[in-house]
Amino acid sequence: DIQMTQSPSTLSASVGDRVTIHCRANQSISPSLAWYQQKPGKAPKLLIHKASSLESGVPSRFSGSGSGTDFTLTISSLQPDDFATYYCQQYDSYGFTFGQGTNLEIK
Amino acid sequence: QVNLVQSGAEVKKPGASVKVSCTTSGYTFSSHYLHWVRQAPGQGLEWMGIINPSGSSTRYAQKFQGRVSMTRDTSTSTVYMELSSLRSDDTAVYYCARIRYNGYDALDYWGQGTLVTVSS
Repeated sequence: DIQMTQSPSTLSASVGDRVTIHCRANQSISPSLAWYQQKPGKAPKLLIHKASSLESGVPSRFSGSGSGTDFTLTISSLQPDDFATYYCQQYDSYGFTFGQGTNLEIK
Repeated sequence: QVNLVQSGAEVKKPGASVKVSCTTSGYTFSSHYLHWVRQAPGQGLEWMGIINPSGSSTRYAQKFQGRVSMTRDTSTSTVYMELSSLRSDDTAVYYCARIRYNGYDALDYWGQGTLVTVSS
């Protein structure tokens, strides 16, 4: 299976900050990469697909970029509702592996 | 609107089996593959497998081969995930999720999750 590695595992930030989360695959998966947001006790929510395509209804402060093996999720100006855990997922091949998650917490 | 509604929480003893349902609505059932993903307490997301509601073909993660079975009932637009020989480390929230478009794509709608607790 393709291995997905996210960094950092935890990120402390303040409202209004610009933050970036990284995701690396151990082989090329471009552009089959999705980003999800998960809040405690809730199902994940799709934010980005095809590495950089914003899912309908997702605020434009979220953006994705990258290709090949290296990808990033950027939140341009953090809002209180954005503090959550974020996961990347590859869907280039079966295994559909997820990264281990990044917990975005309030500084 | 698209909805995926899962069955309620289960408590099982080690060695038993559990069957979780996921009833879909708001779209054409046969048009979107469905995945199952689980999340152990305080842990990340783990992909379990996929079912094609149209032809009922399945593909499972190697870790669950031989222990998992995914089926569907087209008359009720429901998919099922059965996991057997339960162990304590199968305690998790189990989610069904719909693929955006068939083939290889992201998961755009998720069920609310079903907590399965395995305890003697």
